[in-house]
Amino acid sequence: DGGITQSPKYLFRKEGQNVTLSCEQNLNHDAMYWYRQDPGQGLRLIYYSQIVNDFQKGDIAEGYSVSREKKESFPLTVTSAQKNPTAFYLCASSIGDNEQFFGPGTRLTVL
Amino acid sequence: GQNIDQPTEMTATEGAIVQINCTYQTSGFNGLFWYQQHAGEAPTFLSYNVLDGLEEKGRFSSFLSRSKGYSYLLLKELQMKDSASYLCAVGNISGGYNKLIFGAGTRLAVHP
Repeated sequence: DGGITQSPKYLFRKEGQNVTLSCEQNLNHDAMYWYRQDPGQGLRLIYYSQIVNDFQKGDIAEGYSVSREKKESFPLTVTSAQKNPTAFYLCASSIGDNEQFFGPGTRLTVL
Repeated sequence: GQNIDQPTEMTATEGAIVQINCTYQTSGFNGLFWYQQHAGEAPTFLSYNVLDGLEEKGRFSSFLSRSKGYSYLLLKELQMKDSASYLCAVGNISGGYNKLIFGAGTRLAVHP
């Protein structure tokens, strides 16, 4: 079955630690995205990539980093520079500017 | 700047019709999307409008007026499972890159 997977579903991190969230898709989509969602708020774009080896900062990129070495994979690293990392993180992919398909999300909690 | 407004919460009765409005201001408009999101889950795609007018898909319809910067999502024959957040998102092209800008979402509660 084609789709997007994110792991882990729940992640706990101590303050000051970097952590990497996984996102994999087998839909053969060129474009991939990372969003952050806080309670009662909409999705805010962190980074996006429209092709392998290329990515762009979104609206809230500070404290995050990404890589796009393979078409299928777009991992997000939450660094210690991110001041308030506790949130629900969603990865998505699309063919061009068509609708985006979302993974199940990773809920990150900083202890 | 870019701005998307939609009501925070709405309530409706099972079997009724509800309309969720969305107004937007953006440059580089490239279509308007509606997504449904149940609590704690990922958003799922509902509809896409790029031209003015009404798009109908089963119990759900979506309308767009580009000149007014306005869209609505119409849900008919409401069911309890329609209780969810509905996200309005505007497609934006800037510097040759496409992205979506999301509104904060409208939380819909359907009551018996």
